Amino acid sequence: GAVVSQHPSWVICKSGTSVKIECRSLDFQATTMFWYRQFPKQSLMLMATSNEGSKATYEQGVEKDKFLINHASLTLSTLTVTSAHPEDSSFYICSASSRVNEKLFFGSGTQLSVL
Amino acid sequence: AQSVTQPDIHITVSEGASLELRCNYSYGATPYLFWYVQSPGQGLQLLLKYFSGDTLVQGIKGFEAEFKRSQSSFNLRKPSVHWSDAAEYFCASHFGNEKLTFGTGTRLTIIP
Repeated sequence: GAVVSQHPSWVICKSGTSVKIECRSLDFQATTMFWYRQFPKQSLMLMATSNEGSKATYEQGVEKDKFLINHASLTLSTLTVTSAHPEDSSFYICSASSRVNEKLFFGSGTQLSVL
Repeated sequence: AQSVTQPDIHITVSEGASLELRCNYSYGATPYLFWYVQSPGQGLQLLLKYFSGDTLVQGIKGFEAEFKRSQSSFNLRKPSVHWSDAAEYFCASHFGNEKLTFGTGTRLTIIP
């Protein structure tokens, strides 16, 4: 079945640094990718939707200058957390689909810890 | 390792009929449990969640789920489905500070 690879699975960084998370569709072309964030003991929060070759659509309350999303190819989307702070520590997960009405596949997630 | 199992890949139900989507988890203790729905072209939407307390949880859109510890299950139900319920449904869980684990999803098709 289709596979979405997310890397790294966990990362620890210093406050003020930037962290890039990659989401790759390994055996299909992902026209749409979603980025989510999960707070402890809470459900996932959709951060943004990215379509290949166009700017990401951010959900209300998500800072687009802080969470940079790039979907430059049909197999790769990246989320960059810029100038990370401890409150950005969270679990981030991506998902991808090949086109509308296709099944959604999830990456394995990235646990970010900002010290 | 923790896991979430959704045994049914695809379910077809007639409009107006009742629905039950199965979800089983593997944990030593009770995890936090969620059901999400993904409509075509959309991101995930939370239907309901269970943390503790009453084992029958009410969610949005007329959905409910029942936590059964003895069966390690958290099945999603709806008494009467509507054509707009056609979507992909994901069960998910996490325990403590561990990351969220998703089931593989169940695609629901509604026939007239």
